[in-house]
Amino acid sequence: GAVVSQHPSWVICKSGTSVKIECRSLDFQATTMFWYRQFPKQSLMLMATSNEGSKATYEQGVEKDKFLINHASLTLSTLTVTSAHPEDSSFYICSASEGQEYNEQFFGPGTRLTVL
Amino acid sequence: GQNIDQPTEMTATEGAIVQINCTYQTSGFNGLFWYQQHAGEAPTFLSYNVLDGLEEKGRFSSFLSRSKGYSYLLLKELQMKDSASYLCAVRDSNYQLIWGAGTKLIIKP
Repeated sequence: GAVVSQHPSWVICKSGTSVKIECRSLDFQATTMFWYRQFPKQSLMLMATSNEGSKATYEQGVEKDKFLINHASLTLSTLTVTSAHPEDSSFYICSASEGQEYNEQFFGPGTRLTVL
Repeated sequence: GQNIDQPTEMTATEGAIVQINCTYQTSGFNGLFWYQQHAGEAPTFLSYNVLDGLEEKGRFSSFLSRSKGYSYLLLKELQMKDSASYLCAVRDSNYQLIWGAGTKLIIKP
């Protein structure tokens, strides 16, 4: 089956630093990748959608300058949380699909970010 | 606006059957998904419905009625490991996934 990996699985950082999270599709080409954020006991919140080689489309209320997304290849997308603050602490999950008319998104295991 | 409703929490007994409902109002429809998410983990795919009717997959079944904007996930022979949140998501006319808030299912012995 399709496998998506994320790295790191958890990270603790100081306030004001930047954190990069990688999302990789291991056995398929991910035309589209999605980045979600999930706070405790809440549902997934889509942050942005990225297509390989083009700029990400951000959801309303998500700061594109704070959450930098790069989808440079068909197997790798990165999310960089710049100048992280404690309120950015959350569970960040990426998912990937092979095309627009996909039947499912394949989720990575998630990255738990804690900003001190 | 777009909206997906599902119960916040349900409780059921081990070995029993439980039905989790999902109603939706979206701009267009290109399929409905059910995902399972254990606490602290990413969602895992359970089922996909795009045509009316029942899709059965082992202990889990999912039903769709497009005219009613309604779906349910049926879990049979409940096991303790089925304790999780169950997320309903609808793909709209722009192929965007609209997520429900999830239903937390608690299984009691």
